[in-house]
Amino acid sequence: NAGVMQNPRHLVRRRGQEARLRCSPMKGHSHVYWYRQLPEEGLKFMVYLQKENIIDESGMPKERFSAEFPKEGPSILRIQQVVRGDSAAYFCASSPQRVVDTQYFGPGTRLTVL
Amino acid sequence: AQKITQTQPGMFVQEKEAVTLDCTYDTSDPSYGLFWYKQPSSGEMIFLIYQGSYDQQNATEGRYSLNFQKARKSANLVISASQLGDSAMYFCAMREAGGSQGNLIFGKGTKLSVKP
Repeated sequence: NAGVMQNPRHLVRRRGQEARLRCSPMKGHSHVYWYRQLPEEGLKFMVYLQKENIIDESGMPKERFSAEFPKEGPSILRIQQVVRGDSAAYFCASSPQRVVDTQYFGPGTRLTVL
Repeated sequence: AQKITQTQPGMFVQEKEAVTLDCTYDTSDPSYGLFWYKQPSSGEMIFLIYQGSYDQQNATEGRYSLNFQKARKSANLVISASQLGDSAMYFCAMREAGGSQGNLIFGKGTKLSVKP
């Protein structure tokens, strides 16, 4: 059973470009969470999705950031017009159910904005 | 107010000795879960151990055990017989059952260094 997959592992963008981060949850998991980790910090929640639904986006910046989890395919975190402050590690986690189960993390995508 | 507090930015332990990493939490929700994750230098987040607020016994997973003191709101991680491969960042996290959608709240982490 493959774990949570994220790609790319490393992404370099220039200011003003778009970044697309992908996450495929573990098989059988239908709940996806995105977290951001700034240098020397713990992870901060961004958004929680189920298939075709955004359940909670309270941790998402109001502008430039969006997320989706389509019926088919991976979950996508999209950052438009990136700025240097977006440089961070972005982690995706999945769980089979919402509240009870452990979240298992992917390896993360390290975004560097030049 | 911080929901998860890890007061030790860094810790050293001698190989083969036990070490305790501190974590205190703050919640008014009677139902919650506490987690510990390990983040080695390669960057991935590895789940170690889980403790539910209603669990009667402290959780154990191999060399990892969780010293859960509910009245004191502490959930310290104990690693027995430390190994060089235990050197990593360790994060304590909490999930509240009510009024949230299950997202984890993380502490700032403790960097553990195991000395040979």
